[in-house]
Order: sequence, then structure tokens, then C-alpha cells
Amino acid sequence: EDKVVQSPLSLVVHEGDTVTLNCSYEVTNFRSLLWYKQEKKAPTFLFMLTSSGIEKKSGRLSSILDKKELFSILNITATQTGDSAVYLCAVKPGTYKYIFGTGTRLKVLA
Amino acid sequence: DGGITQSPKYLFRKEGQNVTLSCEQNLNHDAMYWYRQDPGQGLRLIYYSQIVNDFQKGDIAEGYSVSREKKESFPLTVTSAQKNPTAFYLCATADSYNSPLHFGNGTRLTVT
Repeated sequence: EDKVVQSPLSLVVHEGDTVTLNCSYEVTNFRSLLWYKQEKKAPTFLFMLTSSGIEKKSGRLSSILDKKELFSILNITATQTGDSAVYLCAVKPGTYKYIFGTGTRLKVLA
Repeated sequence: DGGITQSPKYLFRKEGQNVTLSCEQNLNHDAMYWYRQDPGQGLRLIYYSQIVNDFQKGDIAEGYSVSREKKESFPLTVTSAQKNPTAFYLCATADSYNSPLHFGNGTRLTVT
């Protein structure tokens, strides 16, 4: 059965800290892995990763995929209170389906 | 302004009543999806549609029904057969086989 597991489930840090969120997966015929940020309502797209070892960056956020070990990490440096959200990882196998993990709830304290 | 519109934002219903959640998109995306989100359980797929007049069951389709008569529209009906319908419902679209999902703002359904 295809599955996506995120860790930790929740995390509390102080502004300025660096955090690493984890996503491991087991799917047949892997196509891509996606990261989303969800605040109050609609998840917003952060990154899509298809190749191992290639880091994607956007400001203070970065992500990398390891297709051999079947995991990805999302790093956030110099965290701000606006980074507080649920971060979702999703994997797309060889179908039209996207399989989501349960998410990591991040709270950044001022 | 391109996007995905879900309505209503909040919906209340009594047990035993069917209710329909609207999802409209003007992104010209082929694929549309319905997910359910419960606390601590992430997003679970209810139904998805790759093209007009075709749709497939997801992992938790029981008690739900959909239609795809137009490319722009993918309404979800929550029937009285759904035992625990109170949840946050998200509609999403994708424009090609391997592109990111784009989400609407969701409908929060409460059944009492």
C-alpha cells in the first residue's frame, strides 16, 4: 500500500531557529514529491521534486529529495512567526492520484 | 482573476440530509479532485476526475457522489449514507499528468 509519513507531527521553535521537516514514502512507480504550506485554509504549493540530490530553494526555504532512501527534507532557516503553519508532503505515484502525509504542525514563537 | 472557487465557505446541515459542495475553476485544468481533511489525518482522496464525464473513486468514496458535466465544475454531494461527514473539504485541480495540485479555499461542513 502506498504511504507517506511525515515527522515530527508538531514542532515549536523560536524566531531565528532553523527547522528540518521530514517526509518518507513508499509508493509504486514514483513520479514526484511535493511540499505545501497550509495556514488557515488552502494549501499553497512550495516545491515539486523529481530528481535526487537537486536542492530547490525559495528564500529561506529549501528542499531536497533522496530517491534511494525514499525521503525528502524541507528546511526553513531564520524562522519567522509567519512560517507558523502545517506543512504537507505529497507523493505522486504513476497514476493521477496524489498521496498526502498527515502533515507537520510548526509553531514559531516570537 | 484565475482560480478555484469553493462555495459555501461554511455549511451546516442536519443528519439525514444530502448536501452539495460547489467547486468551480477557470484555470482550464483537466483534472479535478476532492479531498477531505480531518484533524491529525492529513488529506484523504474522495473522488477525482481526469476529463469531463469521467471520474474515479478515491480512498474514501463511500457516502459521497460527484459529477463532471463541464470542465469547469466538479460538485461533491455528501449523502446521508456518509456516517461522519463533519470535516473540511478541499477541491483541487491539476493541468497535466505531473503538475502540482492547486487548491480552493475549502468548505467546512458541520453536521448536527
